[in-house]
Amino acid sequence: AQSVSQHNHHVILSEAASLELGCNYSYGGTVNLFWYVQYPGQHLQLLLKYFSGDPLVKGIKGFEAEFIKSKFSFNLRKPSVQWSDTAEYFCAVIPRFAGNQFYFGTGTSLTVIP
Amino acid sequence: GAVVSQHPSRVICKSGTSVKIECRSLDFQATTMFWYRQFPKQSLMLMATSNEGSKATYEQGVEKDKFLINHASLTLSTLTVTSAHPEDSSFYICSALNGDTQYFGPGTRLTVL
Repeated sequence: AQSVSQHNHHVILSEAASLELGCNYSYGGTVNLFWYVQYPGQHLQLLLKYFSGDPLVKGIKGFEAEFIKSKFSFNLRKPSVQWSDTAEYFCAVIPRFAGNQFYFGTGTSLTVIP
Repeated sequence: GAVVSQHPSRVICKSGTSVKIECRSLDFQATTMFWYRQFPKQSLMLMATSNEGSKATYEQGVEKDKFLINHASLTLSTLTVTSAHPEDSSFYICSALNGDTQYFGPGTRLTVL
């Protein structure tokens, strides 16, 4: 079975600190990759996605993610976090040509201290 | 664009009753929708994939007779929790596939007394 790992379960940062959240997946074929964010009390929103092309993807609110195929990774980064980035972050993978099923990581809870 | 709504946002019911949750794609057509459960501080657990005009595909361990899914149109999928029990209390989230991207509804908090 496919799996998606997010090794950081809970991250606490001060404002202006840099952020990197890890995401690794187990599927050996071609994949589409996503990061979703869930702010407190809100629904999941798409942060960014990678299908092909430049492996460095820029998303909303200053977030970016880099796809490293050799490492099966799609880490999320932000150079300077804000208090408003406090949220739950989920990585998701969909193997291409294998149906529509998304595989989600267990999520990383980010708390930014003002 | 790509907005998904769910109704109701919260529902409280007595044990043994049935509850219907609606999921609508508001500005696009979705042949495929998904239903998830989310437990506190945990990831999404896929329950089933809902395909317009055909039977839903349930994940292992999900009772299809308990969680009835109907996807009768390209913009509406419904999840009915039949004979609900307290252990069915959870946060139910739907999503709709637009191209290769899932867009999520705001979720429905179900509490079974």
